[in-house]
Amino acid sequence: DIQMTQSPSSLSASVGDRVTITCRASQTITKFLSWYQQRPGKAPKLLIYVASNLQSGVPSRFSGSGSGTDFTLTISSLQPEDFATYYCQQSYITPWTFGQGTKVEVK
Amino acid sequence: QVQLQESGPGLVKPSLTLSLTCSVSGGSISSSGFFWSWVRQHPGKGLEWIGYISYDGDPYYNPSLRSRVTISSDTSKNQFSLKLTSVTAADTAVYYCARVNYGSDNNMFDFWGRGTLVTVSS
Repeated sequence: DIQMTQSPSSLSASVGDRVTITCRASQTITKFLSWYQQRPGKAPKLLIYVASNLQSGVPSRFSGSGSGTDFTLTISSLQPEDFATYYCQQSYITPWTFGQGTKVEVK
Repeated sequence: QVQLQESGPGLVKPSLTLSLTCSVSGGSISSSGFFWSWVRQHPGKGLEWIGYISYDGDPYYNPSLRSRVTISSDTSKNQFSLKLTSVTAADTAVYYCARVNYGSDNNMFDFWGRGTLVTVSS
Protein backbone atom coordinates (compact mmCIF):
# COMPACT_ATOMS: atom_id res chain seq x y z
CA ASP A 1 0.00 0.00 0.00
CA ILE A 2 1.11 3.58 -0.60
CA GLN A 3 1.63 5.36 2.70
CA MET A 4 0.64 9.02 2.88
CA THR A 5 2.37 11.04 5.58
CA GLN A 6 1.17 14.52 6.49
CA SER A 7 3.04 17.11 8.47
CA PRO A 8 2.47 18.57 10.86
CA SER A 9 -0.15 16.43 12.60
CA SER A 10 -1.52 19.59 14.16
CA LEU A 11 -0.83 23.29 14.13
CA SER A 12 -2.04 26.40 15.90
CA ALA A 13 -2.73 29.50 13.86
CA SER A 14 -4.60 32.78 13.95
CA VAL A 15 -7.14 34.27 11.59
CA GLY A 16 -5.27 35.85 8.71
CA ASP A 17 -2.26 33.55 8.95
CA ARG A 18 -0.81 31.73 5.97
CA VAL A 19 -0.93 28.00 6.62
CA THR A 20 0.96 25.27 4.79
CA ILE A 21 0.40 21.54 5.16
CA THR A 22 2.60 18.97 3.46
CA CYS A 23 1.84 15.44 2.31
CA ARG A 24 4.43 12.90 1.26
CA ALA A 25 3.70 9.65 -0.57
CA SER A 26 5.82 6.54 -0.03
CA GLN A 27 6.18 6.20 -3.81
CA THR A 28 5.35 8.33 -6.80
CA ILE A 29 1.67 9.05 -7.36
CA THR A 30 2.21 11.55 -10.21
CA LYS A 31 -0.63 14.04 -9.59
CA PHE A 32 -3.27 11.61 -8.31
CA LEU A 33 -3.63 13.63 -5.11
CA SER A 34 -6.69 15.20 -3.52
CA TRP A 35 -7.16 17.32 -0.40
CA TYR A 36 -10.21 17.25 1.88
CA GLN A 37 -11.41 19.41 4.75
CA GLN A 38 -13.36 17.84 7.59
CA ARG A 39 -15.09 19.91 10.22
CA PRO A 40 -16.09 18.19 13.51
CA GLY A 41 -19.08 15.91 13.08
CA LYS A 42 -19.24 16.51 9.35
CA ALA A 43 -18.32 14.57 6.24
CA PRO A 44 -15.09 15.37 4.42
CA LYS A 45 -15.32 18.01 1.71
CA LEU A 46 -13.24 17.97 -1.47
CA LEU A 47 -11.01 21.04 -1.78
CA ILE A 48 -8.33 20.21 -4.34
CA TYR A 49 -7.96 17.48 -6.99
CA VAL A 50 -5.19 16.55 -9.43
CA ALA A 51 -2.84 18.11 -6.86
CA SER A 52 -3.61 21.71 -7.76
CA ASN A 53 -7.13 22.02 -9.21
CA LEU A 54 -9.59 23.92 -7.04
CA GLN A 55 -12.95 22.19 -6.65
CA SER A 56 -15.92 24.28 -7.72
CA GLY A 57 -17.20 26.50 -4.94
CA VAL A 58 -14.03 26.31 -2.84
CA PRO A 59 -12.56 29.71 -1.91
CA SER A 60 -9.48 30.81 -3.82
CA ARG A 61 -7.48 31.17 -0.60
CA PHE A 62 -6.98 27.40 -0.85
CA SER A 63 -4.31 26.18 -3.24
CA GLY A 64 -2.39 22.99 -3.87
CA SER A 65 0.90 22.15 -5.47
CA GLY A 66 3.30 19.28 -6.04
CA SER A 67 3.78 16.14 -8.04
CA GLY A 68 5.50 12.80 -7.66
CA THR A 69 5.83 12.25 -3.94
CA ASP A 70 5.65 15.69 -2.34
CA PHE A 71 2.57 17.88 -2.14
CA THR A 72 1.45 21.03 -0.35
CA LEU A 73 -1.88 22.54 0.66
CA THR A 74 -1.77 26.26 1.38
CA ILE A 75 -4.39 28.49 2.93
CA SER A 76 -3.31 32.02 2.10
CA SER A 77 -5.28 33.82 4.80
CA LEU A 78 -6.91 31.61 7.41
CA GLN A 79 -10.57 32.31 8.07
CA PRO A 80 -12.63 31.26 11.12
CA GLU A 81 -14.41 28.55 9.15
CA ASP A 82 -11.07 26.98 8.14
CA PHE A 83 -10.33 25.58 11.58
CA ALA A 84 -10.76 21.90 10.76
CA THR A 85 -8.83 18.75 9.95
CA TYR A 86 -7.30 18.34 6.50
CA TYR A 87 -6.56 15.06 4.74
CA CYS A 88 -4.60 14.23 1.61
CA GLN A 89 -5.57 11.15 -0.41
CA GLN A 90 -3.90 9.27 -3.25
CA SER A 91 -5.83 7.52 -6.00
CA TYR A 92 -2.89 6.44 -8.15
CA ILE A 93 -2.89 2.82 -7.00
CA THR A 94 -5.49 0.85 -5.10
CA PRO A 95 -6.02 0.58 -2.24
CA TRP A 96 -6.62 4.32 -2.22
CA THR A 97 -5.15 5.74 0.97
CA PHE A 98 -5.42 8.87 3.08
CA GLY A 99 -2.94 10.75 5.17
CA GLN A 100 -3.43 10.70 8.92
CA GLY A 101 -4.79 14.24 8.94
CA THR A 102 -3.62 17.69 10.03
CA LYS A 103 -5.71 19.48 12.61
CA VAL A 104 -5.68 23.27 12.30
CA GLU A 105 -6.51 24.79 15.68
CA VAL A 106 -7.02 28.28 17.03
CA LYS A 107 -3.86 29.83 18.46
CA GLN B 1 -26.62 18.62 -7.03
CA VAL B 2 -25.87 15.02 -6.14
CA GLN B 3 -26.92 13.95 -2.66
CA LEU B 4 -26.12 10.73 -0.83
CA GLN B 5 -27.77 9.38 2.31
CA GLU B 6 -26.67 6.38 4.34
CA SER B 7 -29.18 4.21 6.16
CA GLY B 8 -29.02 1.10 8.29
CA PRO B 9 -28.75 -0.16 11.86
CA GLY B 10 -26.64 1.86 14.24
CA LEU B 11 -25.91 -1.14 16.45
CA VAL B 12 -24.68 -4.56 15.32
CA LYS B 13 -23.78 -7.52 17.51
CA PRO B 14 -20.32 -9.04 17.26
CA SER B 15 -19.89 -11.81 14.66
CA LEU B 16 -22.95 -10.65 12.73
CA THR B 17 -23.17 -8.75 9.43
CA LEU B 18 -23.18 -4.97 9.11
CA SER B 19 -25.50 -3.84 6.31
CA LEU B 20 -25.81 -0.27 5.06
CA THR B 21 -27.51 1.30 2.07
CA CYS B 22 -26.68 4.55 0.31
CA SER B 23 -29.51 6.29 -1.51
CA VAL B 24 -28.43 8.63 -4.29
CA SER B 25 -30.42 11.56 -5.64
CA GLY B 26 -29.60 14.17 -8.23
CA GLY B 27 -27.74 11.72 -10.44
CA SER B 28 -27.84 8.15 -11.69
CA ILE B 29 -25.48 5.51 -10.29
CA SER B 30 -25.42 4.08 -13.83
CA SER B 31 -23.83 7.20 -15.29
CA SER B 32 -20.42 6.50 -16.77
CA GLY B 33 -17.43 8.22 -15.23
CA PHE B 34 -18.55 7.72 -11.66
CA PHE B 35 -17.94 5.02 -9.12
CA TRP B 36 -19.75 4.67 -5.81
CA SER B 37 -17.72 4.09 -2.72
CA TRP B 38 -17.71 3.42 1.00
CA VAL B 39 -15.23 5.04 3.38
CA ARG B 40 -15.12 4.61 7.14
CA GLN B 41 -13.65 6.57 10.02
CA HIS B 42 -12.92 4.98 13.37
CA PRO B 43 -13.77 7.24 16.33
CA GLY B 44 -11.26 10.06 16.51
CA LYS B 45 -9.17 8.55 13.71
CA GLY B 46 -8.45 8.99 10.03
CA LEU B 47 -10.22 7.82 6.90
CA GLU B 48 -10.14 4.30 5.47
CA TRP B 49 -11.32 3.45 1.96
CA ILE B 50 -13.43 0.26 1.96
CA GLY B 51 -14.17 -0.20 -1.72
CA TYR B 52 -16.31 0.91 -4.63
CA ILE B 53 -18.73 -0.33 -7.22
CA SER B 54 -18.48 0.99 -10.75
CA TYR B 55 -21.28 2.50 -12.78
CA ASP B 56 -21.62 -0.85 -14.60
CA GLY B 57 -21.70 -2.92 -11.43
CA ASP B 58 -18.11 -4.09 -10.99
CA PRO B 59 -16.93 -3.97 -7.36
CA TYR B 60 -13.42 -3.45 -6.07
CA TYR B 61 -12.39 -3.82 -2.45
CA ASN B 62 -9.59 -2.78 -0.17
CA PRO B 63 -7.52 -5.97 0.25
CA SER B 64 -7.48 -5.42 4.02
CA LEU B 65 -11.25 -6.03 4.10
CA ARG B 66 -11.80 -8.04 0.92
CA SER B 67 -12.60 -11.32 2.65
CA ARG B 68 -15.49 -9.75 4.57
CA VAL B 69 -16.86 -7.03 2.26
CA THR B 70 -19.50 -7.02 -0.44
CA ILE B 71 -20.61 -3.88 -2.26
CA SER B 72 -23.60 -4.15 -4.58
CA SER B 73 -25.93 -1.82 -6.41
CA ASP B 74 -29.61 -1.60 -7.29
CA THR B 75 -30.02 0.65 -10.28
CA SER B 76 -33.82 0.47 -10.10
CA LYS B 77 -33.68 2.16 -6.69
CA ASN B 78 -30.55 4.22 -7.44
CA GLN B 79 -28.91 2.76 -4.37
CA PHE B 80 -25.76 0.91 -3.51
CA SER B 81 -25.06 -1.17 -0.43
CA LEU B 82 -22.32 -2.39 1.88
CA LYS B 83 -22.21 -5.69 3.71
CA LEU B 84 -19.42 -6.44 6.18
CA THR B 85 -19.47 -9.88 7.74
CA SER B 86 -18.12 -11.21 11.03
CA VAL B 87 -17.89 -7.78 12.63
CA THR B 88 -15.93 -7.03 15.78
CA ALA B 89 -15.53 -3.94 17.94
CA ALA B 90 -12.78 -2.88 15.55
CA ASP B 91 -15.46 -2.27 12.93
CA THR B 92 -17.10 0.41 15.07
CA ALA B 93 -16.86 3.54 12.93
CA VAL B 94 -18.69 6.24 11.06
CA TYR B 95 -19.44 4.86 7.61
CA TYR B 96 -19.65 7.28 4.69
CA CYS B 97 -20.86 6.67 1.18
CA ALA B 98 -19.31 8.85 -1.49
CA ARG B 99 -19.25 9.39 -5.23
CA VAL B 100 -15.95 8.87 -6.99
CA ASN B 101 -15.36 11.12 -9.95
CA TYR B 102 -13.25 8.67 -11.96
CA GLY B 103 -10.86 10.01 -14.57
CA SER B 104 -7.61 9.47 -16.39
CA ASP B 105 -5.73 11.89 -14.17
CA ASN B 106 -7.46 11.64 -10.82
CA ASN B 107 -10.12 9.80 -8.91
CA MET B 108 -11.61 11.97 -6.23
CA PHE B 109 -14.47 11.71 -3.76
CA ASP B 110 -16.51 14.73 -4.84
CA PHE B 111 -19.80 14.13 -3.03
CA TRP B 112 -20.27 12.52 0.38
CA GLY B 113 -23.13 11.38 2.53
CA ARG B 114 -23.41 12.72 6.08
CA GLY B 115 -22.15 9.46 7.51
CA THR B 116 -23.71 7.00 9.91
CA LEU B 117 -22.20 5.71 13.13
CA VAL B 118 -22.24 1.94 13.45
CA THR B 119 -21.37 0.51 16.84
CA VAL B 120 -20.49 -3.15 17.24
CA SER B 121 -21.49 -4.29 20.68
CA SER B 122 -23.45 -7.03 22.38
